[in-house]
Amino acid sequence: EVQLVESGGGLVKPGASLKLSCVASGFTFSDYWMSWVRQTPGKTMEWIGDIKYDGSYTNYAPSLKNRFTISRDNAKSTLYLQMSNVRSEDTATYYCTRASNNPLGYWGQGVMVTVSS
Amino acid sequence: DIQMTQSPSSMSASLGDTVTINCLASQDIGNYLSWYQQKPGKSPKLMIYGATNLEDGVPSRFSGSRSGSDYSLTINSLGYDDEGIYHCHQYYEYPWTFGGGTKLELK
Repeated sequence: EVQLVESGGGLVKPGASLKLSCVASGFTFSDYWMSWVRQTPGKTMEWIGDIKYDGSYTNYAPSLKNRFTISRDNAKSTLYLQMSNVRSEDTATYYCTRASNNPLGYWGQGVMVTVSS
Repeated sequence: DIQMTQSPSSMSASLGDTVTINCLASQDIGNYLSWYQQKPGKSPKLMIYGATNLEDGVPSRFSGSRSGSDYSLTINSLGYDDEGIYHCHQYYEYPWTFGGGTKLELK
């Protein structure tokens, strides 16, 4: 069974940095592109970016490219999202996803990030 | 970026009804369109991919269709388990984008 478990969220102050993790199990992690998607409190969905199965290539939403970095450690079956200089508008639930019949076929349970002073 | 205009933003229907949710793409996305169902407090679940293909395990009451740049999700014989928010998503071109969501409630 595919499992994706995110962690690392919480309350952070504007301008701070935060690193989210997603531990994968139930499949060969190094075979799949992985993505991060976030959902605002108003339930709007936003794709953040993705990373190639070997970590050699990433794509990002242009509006987030300068502050967010996606990486992975295939030996640990773990996906990461490094967030820097966070803003109030980054308050959201962050989901780790894996491709299946489409690029976002499997979703983790999500982790909440709240940016507030 | 490709804009996905989803309608309606919310709707209420009765048990057994047939409902349709629409997404209009701002440019051609071929059939690279998915639909997700999200129940309160849960993560989205893939229902339809490739505009018309039913994900494994999804009831056949759900169907997807396309007319030009207009994509639709139809749910027949509506049940209480179908309540939630439905999202469309294009994966034709980066950055992938989503519609604004449709909140479906049963009367």
